[in-house]
Amino acid sequence: SAVISQKPSRDICQRGTSLTIQCQVDSQVTMMFWYRQQPGQSLTLIATANQGSEATYESGFVIDKFPISRPNLTFSTLTVSNMSPEDSSIYLCSVALPTGVMGTGELFFGEGSRLTVL
Amino acid sequence: QQPVQSPQAVILREGEDAVINCSSSKALYSVHWYRQKHGEAPVFLMILLKGGEQKGHEKISASFNEKKQQSSLYLTASQLSYSGTYFCGTSSGAGSYQLTFGKGTKLSVIP
Repeated sequence: SAVISQKPSRDICQRGTSLTIQCQVDSQVTMMFWYRQQPGQSLTLIATANQGSEATYESGFVIDKFPISRPNLTFSTLTVSNMSPEDSSIYLCSVALPTGVMGTGELFFGEGSRLTVL
Repeated sequence: QQPVQSPQAVILREGEDAVINCSSSKALYSVHWYRQKHGEAPVFLMILLKGGEQKGHEKISASFNEKKQQSSLYLTASQLSYSGTYFCGTSSGAGSYQLTFGKGTKLSVIP
């Protein structure tokens, strides 16, 4: 299993500002992801955080808006830039650990960072 | 493409059974089920691979019909602790750890 710590757990931000979310994992993991979950909604994958290289973004998400760093195998940050009220959401860090069943991974999630943009 | 879950919500009394369905329009390699309680992180329940296998986890089991690209989660003799939102997540290939999640099914178990 994996234990994931996220900071901050929640924040209230002003429109136009940026906020960086930190994700710390208790063990080295290869696969790390950032998801967004709007209240009462599904989980949407933002990007895969790649160690030592640029993150891989999903359709609809761009690096200028959501820059990601992954300096090592236990840590990543997600920045939400130039925030607007539409960015109000829960941002979840996630890691995948192989299950032993070929080609599948079990996702472990952090508790999430709840951002409210005014 | 986002899988479709049904029903959107269900209310059960303790001891009753429920089925949650997840279907996709594209070929799937695996289907994953997670449960999320209010204010908490999603928690893994089980994975099913194409091949129509059925897996069980205490009184919660699931099946995967590869031909129909459908999976069903079965909750029997529901307990209060089963309350939460259930998400199915799908992957389209081996080694694809990124999941596409459905919109979720909110399950409420009442005494």
